[in-house]
Amino acid sequence: AQTVTQSQPEMSVQEAETVTLSCTYDTSESDYYLFWYKQPPSRQMILVIRQEAYKQQNATENRFSVNFQKAAKSFSLKISDSQLGDAAMYFCAYRSANFGNEKLTFGTGTRLTIIP
Amino acid sequence: EPEVTQTPSHQVTQMGQEVILRCVPISNHLYFYWYRQILGQKVEFLVSFYNNEISEKSEIFDDQFSVERPDGSNFTLKIRSTKLEDSAMYFCASSDGTAGNSPLHFGNGTRLTVT
Repeated sequence: AQTVTQSQPEMSVQEAETVTLSCTYDTSESDYYLFWYKQPPSRQMILVIRQEAYKQQNATENRFSVNFQKAAKSFSLKISDSQLGDAAMYFCAYRSANFGNEKLTFGTGTRLTIIP
Repeated sequence: EPEVTQTPSHQVTQMGQEVILRCVPISNHLYFYWYRQILGQKVEFLVSFYNNEISEKSEIFDDQFSVERPDGSNFTLKIRSTKLEDSAMYFCASSDGTAGNSPLHFGNGTRLTVT
């Protein structure tokens, strides 16, 4: 079974600064997908960024980018130019590429606080 | 942009009662999921549903739980006899495939409170 670990329960960053959220995972599979979801106080789960394991290039979405290290099974999220609206819980998630096993497995989350 | 909608947003029920949580997935999606999040804890997988049958379920999804797609639009989660520990936020999600470019889209959740 796959596991996802987020070792930082809480992080804080000054507005306009850069912050990196850590995520590691354990799997025996070679093909899979990784995601970061954001959960603001409204509790909705919002997709932030995704990464296919077979792609070496790190994904980027505007101010959000990842550092994907497949050998180390690490998938960190970097938020540049942090904004007040970035304050939320951030969940790292794993999804197998095997048919019939397409559920998301989530980490325990990191609560990000933005300091004005 | 199409959304997954869930009703009600908050449900309060007494222990032992049956509850049905409702979801309307995005219309062209084929894969449907239920997750739950106990307050302050991580999001846990309950069940996935494809082609009118359960494709995978977790240990949490015991005989007290069932899912149904009664028509072409709704996807429901039923808890037959609720327990205090069923109190949680329940999220419905859908996707149009299983690949990485078919991510799960989540609804806003239903907060279930069992008293």
